[in-house]
Amino acid sequence: EVQLVESGGGLVKPGGSLRLSCAASGFTFSNAWMSWVRQAPGKGLEWVGRIKSKTDGGTTDYAAPVKGRFTLSRDDSKNTLYLQMTSLKSEDTAVYYCTTVAKSSAYAADYWGQGTLVPVSS
Amino acid sequence: DIQMTQSPSSLSAFVGDRVTITCRASQSITNYLNWYQQKPGKAPNLLIYAASSLQSGVPSRFSGSGSGTDFTLTISSLQPEDFATYYCQQTYSPYTFGQGTKLEIK
Repeated sequence: EVQLVESGGGLVKPGGSLRLSCAASGFTFSNAWMSWVRQAPGKGLEWVGRIKSKTDGGTTDYAAPVKGRFTLSRDDSKNTLYLQMTSLKSEDTAVYYCTTVAKSSAYAADYWGQGTLVPVSS
Repeated sequence: DIQMTQSPSSLSAFVGDRVTITCRASQSITNYLNWYQQKPGKAPNLLIYAASSLQSGVPSRFSGSGSGTDFTLTISSLQPEDFATYYCQQTYSPYTFGQGTKLEIK
């Protein structure tokens, strides 16, 4: 059974940094493309970024609002995805979801974690 | 960036109704269009990928169609558990969600 478990969320001040983790199990993590999606309270879904598998180049792409501030990385030895967030703003307040990216299914997010809340406030 | 526009933003319907939600892309995305359902307090769930392919385990009353810039999600006969918010997502370049359609019971 595929499981994605996010951790690392919590209150952070504007301008601060935080690193989220996503522990994966139930599939071959090293072959997987992964992404982060966020949802501000009462708002819609916003794609944050995606990282390809190392065999596919390991490259990353980011949404414009987070480019230059957020960094996706992965540790395939630990089956863990990371999201390093810096220069945080109040508008980054959201539940952050980790997802798998299905290369054979139009790159859809076929599995999701339960999410971790990141409030950015002074 | 490619913009995705869903309509309507909210919709009321009866159990048993046929419902259609549309999604329009700001440029052609061929068939790189996916649909998700989200219930309050839960993570989204993939319903349709590649515009018209039904994700495993999703009831056949859900269907998708379209290509290029215009897409639709249809629920053929609404069930009580279908009242939720629906999102489209393009994965052509790179990935963007629509703003969502909230489906409520009438």
